[in-house]
Parts: sequence; structure tokens; C-alpha cells
Amino acid sequence: DAMVIQNPRYQVTQFGKPVTLSCSQTLNHNVMYWYQQKSSQAPKLLFHYYDKDFNNEADTPDNFQSRRPNTSFCFLDIRSPGLGDAAMYLCATSSGARVIQYFGAGTRLSVL
Amino acid sequence: AQSVAQPEDQVNVAEGNPLTVKCTYSVSGNPYLFWYVQYPNRGLQFLLKYITGDNLVKGSYGFEAEFNKSQTSFHLKKPSALVSDSALYFCAVRGLGGATNKLIFGTGTLLAVQP
Repeated sequence: DAMVIQNPRYQVTQFGKPVTLSCSQTLNHNVMYWYQQKSSQAPKLLFHYYDKDFNNEADTPDNFQSRRPNTSFCFLDIRSPGLGDAAMYLCATSSGARVIQYFGAGTRLSVL
Repeated sequence: AQSVAQPEDQVNVAEGNPLTVKCTYSVSGNPYLFWYVQYPNRGLQFLLKYITGDNLVKGSYGFEAEFNKSQTSFHLKKPSALVSDSALYFCAVRGLGGATNKLIFGTGTLLAVQP
């Protein structure tokens, strides 16, 4: 089935140790999003790609970066994770012509 | 600025009873409104949307929502709740600008359906 896949589902990292989260999609959607969600709060958009164009939200810390090497894959890099970065990270996709976003199952990040 | 509000942190309902999860919105222009559901440790699943047309929108799993322009509301409803409906529900509105369909979510409402 076509879907949005996030790996790993659970990630543990150490304070200050760089970590990369992965998202892949088989929907061939041209837009990919990364959200941060803390303990049952609303998901907060960090940034998104429209094709290869990167769009950063104004309040996203510089500690968060993203790469999209091709249509199918998108990565979230946290350069120096702090305790406050522990959260669920959600990847989503949409087609530029449609309004529905399709979400992956998320990666829960723990920072020790 | 686009925003949605979910006034209830939690809604409790007995199985078989009707349920309502409330959402109000504030937008510039015509609203694009959505409901998503999130089960524990899972991503969000799309339930339904309103863009234009009939004010009563039907979605997945027997859910429906009523768009009310005069009250700026988009409440989620289901005639008969199931225990399996217990989850976190998010109302969302499309953000302004561009064709990228940015979503702005409400704070979520936890629905608890008791057997």
C-alpha cells in the first residue's frame, strides 16, 4: 500500500549528539512536512519542502535542519539535541493540488 | 491570522451515545477546515474536510462535521460512539499563503468512550 514511512519508530540519543530521522513516501507527493509534537499537544510545523524548495517556519530553531535528496525521501537532522527536543516527530505529505496531508506513524525521540 | 480553538480538553461519552467534539475557527477568507484523529503513539489520520458545498460533511468511520458560518464552528459528531473511537482529535485550518496547504492545528480533544 502507498504510505508514509518513518524510521525509526523510537530513537534514543544523548544530549548534544547529532541525530537524523528518516521519512519516505510512495505517494509521489511533491510536498513533505516535518512536525514536532510534544506530549499530546498540537503538532507544530517545523518546515516543509515544496518539491526542492525548502520553507522554514520563522520560529524553528537553527538546531533543526532538513534534507530532501529526492521526491521519496526527507530527513530531519537535529544537530545538537537538547532535553527540550524530546518529542514525537511527524512527517506528512501532500500533493500540491490537494489539501489533505498524509501522516507517517511518527518517530518518538528521547534525549538522555 | 488563521486559528482554530478546541474548548474541551476531554470529552467523555458512553458507548452508543452520540458524541460531539467542538471546534471554532478564525480565518481570513474562506476556511478550509479539517478533522484528524490520533491514536496513541501513532501519526494523525485524516477524517474529513470542509472546503465548500454542503455544510454537513461526512467522513471516515461514521464521523461527520457541520460547518456553521454564522457561529464560526466546525463541530465533529457521530450518532453512536464506539469504545474504539477513544483517541485524540484535532481540528485544523489551512494556513495562508502559497499552495503548500500548511495546517494549523487546535490543541486537541481527548475523546474517552466508556463501555
